[in-house]
Amino acid sequence: GQNIDQPTEMTATEGAIVQINCTYQTSGFNGLFWYQQHAGEAPTFLSYNVLDGLEEKGRFSSFLSRSKGYSYLLLKELQMKDSASYLCAVMDSNYQLIWGAGTKLIIKP
Amino acid sequence: NAGVTQTPKFHILKTGQSMTLQCAQDMNHGYMSWYRQDPGMGLRLIYYSAAAGTTDKEVPNGYNVSRLNTEDFPLRLVSAAPSQTSVYLCASSYSQGDYQPQHFGDGTRLSIL
Repeated sequence: GQNIDQPTEMTATEGAIVQINCTYQTSGFNGLFWYQQHAGEAPTFLSYNVLDGLEEKGRFSSFLSRSKGYSYLLLKELQMKDSASYLCAVMDSNYQLIWGAGTKLIIKP
Repeated sequence: NAGVTQTPKFHILKTGQSMTLQCAQDMNHGYMSWYRQDPGMGLRLIYYSAAAGTTDKEVPNGYNVSRLNTEDFPLRLVSAAPSQTSVYLCASSYSQGDYQPQHFGDGTRLSIL
């Protein structure tokens, strides 16, 4: 079966750095997405990785290792507004998205 | 820019009733999809449409869709069951394929009693 694993919840301090991991087992791979979802709101696109390595976009970076079936989202200089759920999704060989359950990130002052 | 608009935001149904959830996008996207989002689970794809006039399904029972034009993709619950209590998210993208981020609506919270 296809599976995406992420930690359920993480806590970090304002101004710090946090890494949210995602491991996957899917039938085929056509890229990995990260989305941010604030409570009661729509998920919004953060990043896309299809090749191994690190993609940096401002305070957010995303890393992919296809051989290990592993990705992480790195958030630097955390702000209170970063409190949200972070969703990892893999596009399989049929170009369908397989979603993880999401990681709820709590930022404390 | 409106993006993806879903209505209603909240609704309560009784078991056996039917209802249509509305979804509209103004970005001229070809690909549209419906997901349900339940606590502790990843988004689950219910139906998708690659273009106006076409639909395909992942979950065969209890739901129906139509795609008469590019903008609208309503989801119909034929005879509601408590197991369909969920948050329903509609999404669109330019096409189905790699590096096509989905644009989501804010969702419809549906409770079935």
